[in-house]
Amino acid sequence: DQQVKQNSPSLSVQEGRISILNCDYTNSMFDYFLWYKKYPAEGPTFLISISSIKDKNEDGRFTVFLNKSAKHLSLHIVPSQPGDSAVYFCAASAEGGSYIPTFGRGTSLIVHP
Amino acid sequence: GAVVSQHPSRVICKSGTSVKIECRSLDFQATTMFWYRQFPKQSLMLMATSNEGSKATYEQGVEKDKFLINHASLTLSTLTVTSAHPEDSSFYICSATLPHHAWGPQDYGYTFGSGTRLTVV
Repeated sequence: DQQVKQNSPSLSVQEGRISILNCDYTNSMFDYFLWYKKYPAEGPTFLISISSIKDKNEDGRFTVFLNKSAKHLSLHIVPSQPGDSAVYFCAASAEGGSYIPTFGRGTSLIVHP
Repeated sequence: GAVVSQHPSRVICKSGTSVKIECRSLDFQATTMFWYRQFPKQSLMLMATSNEGSKATYEQGVEKDKFLINHASLTLSTLTVTSAHPEDSSFYICSATLPHHAWGPQDYGYTFGSGTRLTVV
């Protein structure tokens, strides 16, 4: 039973446009949400996160939105750049779980020049 | 910042042999480390939680006798793939949790190694 779901395995976007990556979760105990970026043959690197007490967190071109009632979060990248092409993993964690993240299956983003 | 180093980055071994992958915390002590396997469809599968000085906790479906985990010190965890077969070929990634005082402002101190590409021929 997947507690964190990324239903789109891939996304293709034109350079300069907005990329929107979606993530849904089922466990209402999750109180912290993270996005990781992964290039081929490398480990994931932390990108941005959001606490459940917020509904938006912004860091440069990256913004994460959280809709707790819908148990949904999204990562917006604007403007998208070819270097953003990677696999993006959504993760969620809870204090009760010692903040060990549960990961989604990932979405492969391709940004075309 | 804190770094998790994983070695080797890639290894090719013959079927039936064993391979050891190391995961080191370079500038912090990690009482807990984690081992993941990435499958072709991108997903990260948590294999086991490695606890310093005690037995690893394996996720359901992971063969503990095949994937031996040793966490003998606060800076080193090893994953040994025993009697490797071609189906064990995969990308293995370790991660560690940083001590509370070293947490970044947002990442809650969960850091990944660079991964190991294992190919069994």
